[in-house]
Amino acid sequence: NAGVTQTPKFRVLKTGQSMTLLCAQDMNHEYMYWYRQDPGMGLRLIHYSVGEGTTAKGEVPDGYNVSRLKKQNFLLGLESAAPSQTSVYFCASSVSGQGAYGYTFGSGTRLTVV
Amino acid sequence: EDQVTQSPEALRLQEGESSSLNCSYTVSGLRGLFWYRQDPGKGPEFLFTLYSAGEEKEKERLKATLTKKESFLHITAPKPEDSATYLCAVYTGGGNKLTFGTGTQLKVEL
Repeated sequence: NAGVTQTPKFRVLKTGQSMTLLCAQDMNHEYMYWYRQDPGMGLRLIHYSVGEGTTAKGEVPDGYNVSRLKKQNFLLGLESAAPSQTSVYFCASSVSGQGAYGYTFGSGTRLTVV
Repeated sequence: EDQVTQSPEALRLQEGESSSLNCSYTVSGLRGLFWYRQDPGKGPEFLFTLYSAGEEKEKERLKATLTKKESFLHITAPKPEDSATYLCAVYTGGGNKLTFGTGTQLKVEL
């Protein structure tokens, strides 16, 4: 009954460092998403995937890369972290792209870049 | 560009005091409007999907309604456990993404 699992839950990076956020879902969902949530700005889509081996840019993709080598996993990478990437990152998955049955979100990764 | 505006930003209610949260939207071709609940330190939790003006959905003390320009989330006789941030989002079919509002932070006190 795990749903969507994100690791790590917290991370502090120095400017210029790299890291990978991992998202895993056990619901056999085709669609997966990475959002970031900042105070006063709402959730914004970074990248998404419509199936294994596919990725596409969302609203705010600059500075991030993603990969979906396995259907159940969606990785978000930061190659050279910047303070502007300090945020809470949420992964989500859905049965269809229309989200008719709702997105299932993970519990988030709080990232601080100093 | 799709826009979603939620009001009020914050709302404080006494237990049992019913009220409504507003979500107004400006989009080209609405294909779905969604309500989510978010508790502190957690990810959003799906509540409802509405597709067309006049549609209503209910779940316990919550009732969501939709018009051509806005949606309301009515909370009847709220309890402290209803305290959370309520997010509204729209889907228009472009880019496979939901456009979220900034949320209404609801606090229900005894």
